[in-house]
Amino acid sequence: DIVMTQSPDSLAVSLGERATIKCKSSQSIFYSSNNNNYLSWYQQKPGQPPKLLIYWASTRESGVPDRFAGSGSGTDFTLTISSLQAEDVAIYYCQQYYSTPPTFGQGTKVEIK
Amino acid sequence: QVQLVQSGAEVKKPGASVKVSCKASGYTFTSHHIHWVRQAPGQGLEWIGIINPRDGTANFALNLQDRVTMTRDTSTSTVYMELNSLRSEDTAVYYCATEGRYALLYFDSWGQGTLVTISS
Repeated sequence: DIVMTQSPDSLAVSLGERATIKCKSSQSIFYSSNNNNYLSWYQQKPGQPPKLLIYWASTRESGVPDRFAGSGSGTDFTLTISSLQAEDVAIYYCQQYYSTPPTFGQGTKVEIK
Repeated sequence: QVQLVQSGAEVKKPGASVKVSCKASGYTFTSHHIHWVRQAPGQGLEWIGIINPRDGTANFALNLQDRVTMTRDTSTSTVYMELNSLRSEDTAVYYCATEGRYALLYFDSWGQGTLVTISS
């Protein structure tokens, strides 16, 4: 199984400031035949199911604010929230869909400083 | 729009079975695979398996394949996940989710979740 490791486990950021979450896969999740990284990001608020934010490592899902941006390739990826809003307090998960079983990072909790 | 509505919370004893339903609407039921994912209290997300509503074929996580069954009813656009020989570590919120629009193994729309509690 591909192991996904996120860092940090938690972070506190002031409103309006940048939040950066890292995600590392145990093997490359880049598929050269279609030039895509098989990496998605989810946001989960308390008591709610996860919500898809980004797929193909950097494509925002419809309706997701453009302050959320995904980047990276191969084994190293980043989710950036450019200007943290109060409603962004949540746990964020990365997930690889390169191979079965699909696997998730352990999650990063984002709070307001 | 896509909507997945799951059955209500369950409390089961160790060794029993549980069957959770997920009713789909807002799209053609047979056109998208449905996944099941679970989340133990305060923990991360674990993939359980996937079912193709078109033909009922399913694929499961290796650590659960001996205890899990997935079925579907096309007449009601509902998929079911049954887990047998329940253990305390099966206590979790169980989610159904549709496959991604552009690839099979990510998760597009999610159900609200079903809490399954295993307690003697």
